[in-house]
Amino acid sequence: SAVISQKPSRDICQRGTSLTIQCQVDSQVTMMFWYRQQPGQSLTLIATANQGSEATYESGFVIDKFPISRPNLTFSTLTVSNMSPEDSSIYLCSVESVLLYREGLAGGPDTQYFGPGTRLTVL
Amino acid sequence: GESVGLHLPTLSVQEGDNSIINCAYSNSASDYFIWYKQESGKGPQFIIDIRSNMDKRQGQRVTVLLNKTVKHLSLQIAATQPGDSAVYFCAENRAGGYNKLIFGAGTRLAVHP
Repeated sequence: SAVISQKPSRDICQRGTSLTIQCQVDSQVTMMFWYRQQPGQSLTLIATANQGSEATYESGFVIDKFPISRPNLTFSTLTVSNMSPEDSSIYLCSVESVLLYREGLAGGPDTQYFGPGTRLTVL
Repeated sequence: GESVGLHLPTLSVQEGDNSIINCAYSNSASDYFIWYKQESGKGPQFIIDIRSNMDKRQGQRVTVLLNKTVKHLSLQIAATQPGDSAVYFCAENRAGGYNKLIFGAGTRLAVHP
């Protein structure tokens, strides 16, 4: 089964600073996504991380605030820039790949699997 | 402590009882649905999925029912155990160029001994 890890697992940051979150998968995957989960709420898609090209952002999220990199098929980063207390959330990466499905992972070729999340508190 | 689930609706059940968690989805064009379980301090974990050409799917102790007429999804957990205590999210997949998961609000399941 695929192992998805995120670094850091949690952080406390000062207003105005930036934090880069890493997502690492132990298998090559087709799709990688970044979600935000605000306190006590559900998950909202920030963007799709595209390998070799610019990320595709959802409405309400912009590249200047949440720059994303995806240099290869196993790794992606999300940066939360110029942070404010409103950015305090859990940030989650997810992956989707027909290769994981063929390896026997539960679900289907289009199932998304999530990392453990990064818990960010901005003071 | 974790903030996930603090403000979500809560379903309280006794250990050994069956649990039913409901979800209303928004888009009649959605064709793939997933239930996730999120325990405190962890990311969402896949439980079971169902496609729009099915009404029911069963797994180990879990059953998902899909009613496309009223856009309703339910997750049934048989013989609920303390380890089932978590927040449960339904998610719908809206086809259209790439997979985009839209998550429901979530329900916190509290299992009491």
